[in-house]
Amino acid sequence: DVVLTQTPVSLSVTLGDQASISCRSSQSLVYSDGNTYLKWYLQQPGQSPQLLIYEVSNRFSGVPDRFIGSGSGTDFTLKISRVEPEDLGIYYCFQATHDPFTFGSGTELEIK
Amino acid sequence: VQLQQSGAELVKPGSSVKISCKASGYTFTSYDLHWIKQQPGNGLEWIGWIYPGNGNTQFNQKFNGKATLTADKSSSTAYMQLSSLTSEDSAVYFCARSYYGYNYWYFDFWGPGTMVTVSS
Repeated sequence: DVVLTQTPVSLSVTLGDQASISCRSSQSLVYSDGNTYLKWYLQQPGQSPQLLIYEVSNRFSGVPDRFIGSGSGTDFTLKISRVEPEDLGIYYCFQATHDPFTFGSGTELEIK
Repeated sequence: VQLQQSGAELVKPGSSVKISCKASGYTFTSYDLHWIKQQPGNGLEWIGWIYPGNGNTQFNQKFNGKATLTADKSSSTAYMQLSSLTSEDSAVYFCARSYYGYNYWYFDFWGPGTMVTVSS
């Protein structure tokens, strides 16, 4: 199975600062069709996960442009600029290139 | 779009449980429904999906023999049955709809989750 390693495990960020989360894959996430099926989800406390980014860098409808996804191959990054209180929670990367689909282990964002 | 899941279950080791995910606000038979497991304090694990339109399923091999996915078109409800339950099956189980576009797809709507506790 593809292992997605997220770093850091947790981070504490001051409101208004930037946060950066890394997601490294044990295999290339480029599918045979040339697309890279890597997404980012945020699970706020007590809630179901919600989609932020799909296919590396595409923001889902309604997601603020403070959230920027980037990367290629095996290395991916989610950057959150100007962190706001509602950004707290656990961020997961998720790959749907290889069967079985797998999630990263999560990065917990807390607000200082 | 809403996905309503059944309530929490307390079940005995060795037994089975069937949890449901009732869809509304869209054409039930046109979208895959996926199931995802979240153990207490742990991350997320993809179980598999069902396409209610024809009942096709695909599983994470780890859950072959553990999970059975079905769908009832008449009630727009998807079900997941978990068998031979052990403490390792204690978790919150989410259903999530997948949306497909050209060269992309994602889980756009999630249910609130069903907590299953396996205990004697």
